[in-house]
Amino acid sequence: DQQVKQNSPSLSVQEGRISILNCDYTNSMFDYFLWYKKYPAEGPTFLISISSIKDKNEDGRFTVFLNKSAKHLSLHIVPSQPGDSAVYFCAASIPGAQKLVFGQGTRLTINP
Amino acid sequence: EAQVTQNPRYLITVTGKKLTVTCSQNMNHEYMSWYRQDPGLGLRQIYYSMNVEVTDKGDVPEGYKVSRKEKRNFPLILESPSPNQTSLYFCASRRSGNEKLFFGSGTQLSVL
Repeated sequence: DQQVKQNSPSLSVQEGRISILNCDYTNSMFDYFLWYKKYPAEGPTFLISISSIKDKNEDGRFTVFLNKSAKHLSLHIVPSQPGDSAVYFCAASIPGAQKLVFGQGTRLTINP
Repeated sequence: EAQVTQNPRYLITVTGKKLTVTCSQNMNHEYMSWYRQDPGLGLRQIYYSMNVEVTDKGDVPEGYKVSRKEKRNFPLILESPSPNQTSLYFCASRRSGNEKLFFGSGTQLSVL
């Protein structure tokens, strides 16, 4: 039962353009969402997060949007840079559950 | 430098030969956890620990043991490894009350 789904295994974007990574969830108890970035041979590193009381959070080139009614969040990267090429995981948490539930990941490739 | 350190980075073993993957963090975090990453499944939690001597099962605990005798260390023990435990393992830690996890670099385990 995959409660957090990233339906696009891969995404290819031109350098300088916008990258949009999507994530859907099924459990309405999730109240906090995070995006992690993972390079090969490294562990995931935290990128940006959003609480369920907000619908948008911005940090430099990265913006996360949350649509609670659709149970959908997205990560926008503008402008995309070659160093953004990585696997991106979305994750969600339930208060008191003591774990993050991760999606399957999306491999983003930024082409020069 | 704040970090989560796992060892070894790569391990090849045979079915039934007990092994331990070590994890240590230097951030004085109360919470530590183990995840495994498998293709198409994202990261799934194996075990977690809220503090010293407090551990609990995650989503996929079968075949694994953990201990938390000291705050900084959280080893993962496979008493009798099987091929279905071939995976990429990540240790993570965070401060209590904060959802942001810090991950180690990973241990790639192959059980033949």
